[in-house]
Amino acid sequence: DIVMTQTPSSQAVSAGEKVTMSCKSSQSLLYSENKKNYLAWYQQKPGQSPKLLISWASTRESGVPDRFIGSGSGTDFTLTISSVQAEDLAVYYCEQYYDTPLTFGSGTKLEIK
Amino acid sequence: EVQLVETGGGLVQPGNSLKLSCATSGFTFSTAWMNWIRQTPGKRLEWLAQIEDKSNNYFISYLESVKGRFTISRDDSKSSVYLQMNNLKEEDTAIYYCTIGDWFAYWGQGTLVTVSS
Repeated sequence: DIVMTQTPSSQAVSAGEKVTMSCKSSQSLLYSENKKNYLAWYQQKPGQSPKLLISWASTRESGVPDRFIGSGSGTDFTLTISSVQAEDLAVYYCEQYYDTPLTFGSGTKLEIK
Repeated sequence: EVQLVETGGGLVQPGNSLKLSCATSGFTFSTAWMNWIRQTPGKRLEWLAQIEDKSNNYFISYLESVKGRFTISRDDSKSSVYLQMNNLKEEDTAIYYCTIGDWFAYWGQGTLVTVSS
């Protein structure tokens, strides 16, 4: 099984600050035939179901603010929020869909100071 | 508009069974690969099972730890997917979601399963 490791488990930032969070996979998520990374990012706000932010490691979903930026390749991935807003209070998860069992990271909880 | 509505959750004693249903609309169900995912009380997300479409002979994959206890199925005529859960354990307590594909653009509200004596 592909293990997804997210760090940090939580972090607190002030509104307007830039934040980065990491997701590392135990094996490469880059498929050589199409050069795509099989990695998604989700945001889960308190009391809500998860929401897809980014697929293919860096493709933002329609309607997702451009302050959310996905990057990385292979085994190392990053979600950056360029200027955190109060409404970004949430837990962020990464997920690999390179192979079954599909697996998620344990999440990074973002708190706003 | 894509809709996923999970039902069938509730309080059940250890060792008992429960069948979850997911009614869908707003997309072509017959060609969709469907999944069940759960979120534990500790907020961990865990993929459980996937069923592919008819063109892939309804191929099924399971998380190893639920294989033999959980069974995923689908009814294309009803645009619905199901999860039969047998011999439930306290650690199966979670919110259960159905989702589409391999990355999950659509989520329902989930259905809560509580396994407790």
